[in-house]
Amino acid sequence: RKEVEQDPGPFNVPEGATVAFNCTYSNSASQSFFWYRQDCRKEPKLLMSVYSSGNEDGRFTAQLNRASQYISLLIRDSKLSDSATYLCVVNGYAGNMLTFGGGTRLMVKP
Amino acid sequence: ETGVTQTPRHLVMGMTNKKSLKCEQHLGHNAMYWYKQSAKKPLELMFVYSLEERVENNSVPSRFSPECPNSSHLFLHLHTLQPEDSALYLCASSQGPPGGGFYTGELFFGEGSRLTVL
Repeated sequence: RKEVEQDPGPFNVPEGATVAFNCTYSNSASQSFFWYRQDCRKEPKLLMSVYSSGNEDGRFTAQLNRASQYISLLIRDSKLSDSATYLCVVNGYAGNMLTFGGGTRLMVKP
Repeated sequence: ETGVTQTPRHLVMGMTNKKSLKCEQHLGHNAMYWYKQSAKKPLELMFVYSLEERVENNSVPSRFSPECPNSSHLFLHLHTLQPEDSALYLCASSQGPPGGGFYTGELFFGEGSRLTVL
């Protein structure tokens, strides 16, 4: 089983749509969770941390379900500029290092 | 402009060449990392330095050799690479605890060095 698993997509959605990504992780001792965004041929950048109670940043909402060991990212009112690969990141492996999922590609169409 | 700069941005080398990738961070962080990103694979952590001390990563072939002369600079020395080593190599930094160790918060990445091994 992969340590951090994501559906690679691509998710093709029209502008204005709501889209959700899930990510599962295998280490029940993980304590820190993040979503990173990576644009085509660019470096990953932190989108948002994921807190136990769930958190929202504008159109983006992140949720954590410890019992089922998954985190989710919800994007409302999708924009063309949201097109990117979204990386799920979890700590707690190999000496508490951050481990990246393979990413989910989102393509928002006009 | 990123606070982490990598050079060169692109590198083509033969299997018998020796080259180095350079990373410099301007953020005052005390931990630096090398990651490898291959097509259709997750980012793979290669090496970590905290307060200029290296965390061993036994899964990385010895043809990759890191060097961290100070907390702002990180090198990845390459020799006798294989075509399957072709990938994007990303440097990152983060702020760890003052006494060393790793803060598992935000990583700041450079733009990467795209390596092609012929």
